[in-house]
Order: sequence, then structure tokens, then C-alpha cells
Amino acid sequence: ETGVTQTPRHLVMGMTNKKSLKCEQHLGHNAMYWYKQSAKKPLELMFVYNFKEQTENNSVPSRFSPECPNSSHLFLHLHTLQPEDSALYLCASSQGYRATEAFFGQGTRLTVV
Amino acid sequence: TQLLEQSPQFLSIQEGENLTVYCNSSSVFSSLQWYRQEPGEGPVLLVTVVTGGEVKKLKRLTFQFGDARKDSSLHITAAQPGDTGLYLCAGAGRTSYGKLTFGQGTILTVHP
Repeated sequence: ETGVTQTPRHLVMGMTNKKSLKCEQHLGHNAMYWYKQSAKKPLELMFVYNFKEQTENNSVPSRFSPECPNSSHLFLHLHTLQPEDSALYLCASSQGYRATEAFFGQGTRLTVV
Repeated sequence: TQLLEQSPQFLSIQEGENLTVYCNSSSVFSSLQWYRQEPGEGPVLLVTVVTGGEVKKLKRLTFQFGDARKDSSLHITAAQPGDTGLYLCAGAGRTSYGKLTFGQGTILTVHP
């Protein structure tokens, strides 16, 4: 198994749909992150979780709702998204939230139509 | 707000050539990472530099952290088509726990 696994790899959804992205890490890490990668823009940090507790919400719109039931799993619930939300959504983990090295999943390519 | 300026944004070279990618900031970072990302995949960590002036080598790749810990460079010797990809630098601040600041990336294409 790879260290950080994301599902699905690709997702197409309408603006009125509700969907969820899933991330699972098998590295024994305590911190997990959601990043957004859009064309021609640097990776943007969205959320940070440390030991299941959210420690950072980087001014993300409420149509994105994270959930972290335990240190190994992270979800991103999506509803009423806009076409400009289309991007590659990356999950990452690190040993602790003070650790500086992040290990990324393969990402979910999201297209909002 | 910490920013990382990466240059060049695009680099297209022939196999066997050397190249350098730069990552610059006005902010001091406690460490800096370099990642490589292939299309449709997530970034893969290549190296972390922590000490000012530090140089690390990974086969044909040489990474350097500036003395003031505000900048870094990635040098590739004798590039190969397998080096093609998006190279990203990311900095960690002293108190920005878990919050990496990423550069915009350099898209490298190495032609056979």
C-alpha cells in the first residue's frame, strides 16, 4: 500500500451535488492536511488537522467541509461547489504538525460542471 | 505573508544539459523542501535543507540552502528525459506549524 491514498482519483460533479473526498495514510503520522492545486497558482493550504483536531482553516468557503475521525483518515465534504473550484485536491500527512516534511497522496482531480 | 518566488517557470532543454532552478524569498525559513510532481500525481519529497549554506546531493541533483535561509537552488547535471516534471520548493516558517509555503513551480521538459 502507498503511504497516502486518496479516492476517488477523478470526480465530475454538478454544482448542486454533494460528494466527499477520502484520504487515508498508512505512515503512522499525526497531522493531516488538505491542499488545493489550481493551474498557474501555488499549492494552497486549506485545512490542517493535528491528532484529529482542526488547527487551521485557511479562510476556506463553507462549501468545503473537512472531517477527521481519526489520525489516519481525512475527508473533504463538498456541496454546492462552483466551476472555479475545479482543481487537483491533495491530501498530505506529516509526523506531527510541527514537522516540516509533508507526504502527499496522488490527489483527486475535481471538475465542477 | 511569506512568499516564495520560483524561477524560471518553464524550462525546456536537451538531454545532457545542465540546469538550475531558483527559489527566493524575503522571509527566513526554518527549513525548505524540494518536491517533484508528475502529471496526475501528487508531489514527491526530494530533499529537506535546514542549515544555512547547507548543500545536499541526490545523484545528479544538488540542492543548496542560502546562508540567510531565504533562498535555495536546485541544480541538475546532465539532465535526462526522466527528470521531466514539475519541481516545487516549499518553505516552513519557524512558527507556521504544518503550514508550508509553496512556490509556483518550475515545469521542466528534457528532450531526448
